[in-house]
Amino acid sequence: NAGVTQTPKFRVLKTGQSMTLLCAQDMNHEYMYWYRQDPGMGLRLIHYSVGEGTTAKGEVPDGYNVSRLKKQNFLLGLESAAPSQTSVYFCASTRAKSKLSSGNTIYFGEGSWLTVV
Amino acid sequence: DQQVKQNSPSLSVQEGRISILNCDYTNSMFDYFLWYKKYPAEGPTFLISISSIKDKNEDGRFTVFLNKSAKHLSLHIVPSQPGDSAVYFCAASGGSGGSNYKLTFGKGTLLTVNP
Repeated sequence: NAGVTQTPKFRVLKTGQSMTLLCAQDMNHEYMYWYRQDPGMGLRLIHYSVGEGTTAKGEVPDGYNVSRLKKQNFLLGLESAAPSQTSVYFCASTRAKSKLSSGNTIYFGEGSWLTVV
Repeated sequence: DQQVKQNSPSLSVQEGRISILNCDYTNSMFDYFLWYKKYPAEGPTFLISISSIKDKNEDGRFTVFLNKSAKHLSLHIVPSQPGDSAVYFCAASGGSGGSNYKLTFGKGTLLTVNP
């Protein structure tokens, strides 16, 4: 059981390039999330999805797009990368079908390190 | 406006002693609180949670206390072990609409347990 898998794990981009981060979960989870972690900033939510075909903005959505065409996959896209998007990106998922509550553990992937030069 | 605050960036404790990590929140609609542990170069892993209908939840060496009137929660680790050295994130959920489906995180506290 792989859990939450993120690819790629490391990437260096030039300013203006585009790329897509892929998140895959094999737990049949409904909700999926993309967070970014920056030094001293904790984890900040970029976008999330409460089901196949749905997406919603989080705290810091600017510069990113997402898609959830299949329930098990959640893609994070950077159309024109900027140095401010240098960060560690974490995908997460949970089986919750309504509000988060006891028993709805959110599982995280191992992270994707992105550097934009 | 930071809704979940961990005001201590770091904490150092001797092995065998108690570690107390603190978290404050400002959103009174939060009703579910979690602690995550994160080692370098790994994703956060779930540690323990508490619902707002409780004031204490215990799991082995880890206990979380919730004081709703003070909008404060704390994580107690007893006894602390060197393997507990990690960054600990406090997270919260609850409110209306989308706030029920996502977690808001604090900035984290780096715990170092010295042998």
